[in-house]
Amino acid sequence: EVQLVQSGAEVKKPGESLRISCKGSGYSFITHWIGWVRQMPGKGLEWMGIIYPGDSNTRYSPSFQGQVTISADKSISTAYLQWSSLKASDTAMYYCARCSSSSPYYGMDVWGQGTTVTVSS
Amino acid sequence: DIQLTQSPSFLSASVGDRVTITCRASQGISGYLAWYQQKPGEAPNLLIYSASTLQTGVPSRFSGSGSGTEFTLTISSLQPEDFATYYCQQLNSYPLTFGGGTKVEIK
Repeated sequence: EVQLVQSGAEVKKPGESLRISCKGSGYSFITHWIGWVRQMPGKGLEWMGIIYPGDSNTRYSPSFQGQVTISADKSISTAYLQWSSLKASDTAMYYCARCSSSSPYYGMDVWGQGTTVTVSS
Repeated sequence: DIQLTQSPSFLSASVGDRVTITCRASQGISGYLAWYQQKPGEAPNLLIYSASTLQTGVPSRFSGSGSGTEFTLTISSLQPEDFATYYCQQLNSYPLTFGGGTKVEIK
């Protein structure tokens, strides 16, 4: 079964750092782009960025460039989303999702279960 | 960035109704558009890609059409399990933006 399993919910204070993970299984991890999507409480989907685990080629939305870092460790089939200094406005659900082919053109067909990040003093 | 505008943002419909949702792009995106369904508390689910290709396992009552800047998602006969929020996403150029969503509720 193709699946993405994300790390568990996090509660952090403003200014703290955080890395959440997304582990792929059941398919060739290095040949499918992995994207990250934010969903703030009660709001819509926001595309944050994408990485190709095969060569770590990464693209960011301008809205998130410099605010987060996307990375991947292909040896353990895991993608990461990290913050160096969290803000209360980072409170959201974060999804990882696999692009359905070796290019991003055809949508994201497998999604992780989501990781809730709560940032509060 | 390419902006996607979905309309309506909310619609109320009955089981058996034909429902159409529109997604307009701020510039041409050829056919690089996907549609997703999201139910409360769940991750989104890919319904359609390349504007009109049905993802494996998605019921045939869902269909997509369009190219360039205007796209539609149609549900031919709304079923109870279709009450959800629907999003379009353009895959033509980075950033790969989403539309604002259309919430389909029971009338």
